[in-house]
Amino acid sequence: QVQLQESGPGLVKPSGTLSLTCAVSGDSISNINWWSWVRQPPGMGLEWIGEVYHSGNTNYNPSLKSRVTISMDRSKDQFSLRLSSVTAADTAVYYCARDAAHSSLDYWGQGTLVTVSS
Amino acid sequence: ENVLTQSPGTLSLSPGESATLSCRASQSVRSSYLAWYQQKPGQAPRLLIYLASSRATGIPDRFSGSGSGTDFTLTISRLEPEDFAVYYCQQYGSSPKTFGQGTKVEIK
Repeated sequence: QVQLQESGPGLVKPSGTLSLTCAVSGDSISNINWWSWVRQPPGMGLEWIGEVYHSGNTNYNPSLKSRVTISMDRSKDQFSLRLSSVTAADTAVYYCARDAAHSSLDYWGQGTLVTVSS
Repeated sequence: ENVLTQSPGTLSLSPGESATLSCRASQSVRSSYLAWYQQKPGQAPRLLIYLASSRATGIPDRFSGSGSGTDFTLTISRLEPEDFAVYYCQQYGSSPKTFGQGTKVEIK
């Protein structure tokens, strides 16, 4: 059974950097999948942030590209999200998910709420 | 960017009725890489349908997907109480992998 678990600070100051990690179990991030981040502002819809491939290649949403970095740590079966220069508009529940190519986002973490506030 | 528009915004139905949800893309979705997700309050989204019409593991057969090109449909036959939720479509044929804004299926 594949499981994903997000972790990181729940509160980030404006202009700071949001950093989250997703721990994967039941699968290896070195297998042929994409590993993705999706966010959801309170009461709103889903926004795809970006993804990292097993090879380390990345794709980002152009709306966030200048501020986002997604990376992976194969030794720990983890991948991470960094979002810089955050504002209140970045307050959201952040989800990590496995993207199994043809079947898209088939496994999700439970999500973690990150609030941007001073 | 391939923009997905879902309709209606809200669907008010009774248990036992059928629901038809629409997802229209601004550009053709490559290889029918279109997925549907269900989300309940406080929970992560759950994959229902991928490749426009393939049910994900463990999804009941009352959920079915259809469509190609720019027009896609999710049908829920015989609504069960646990089916009242928000449904999102997502295209994953091109980057960025965009979501629709969601359709809420509520109890009438």
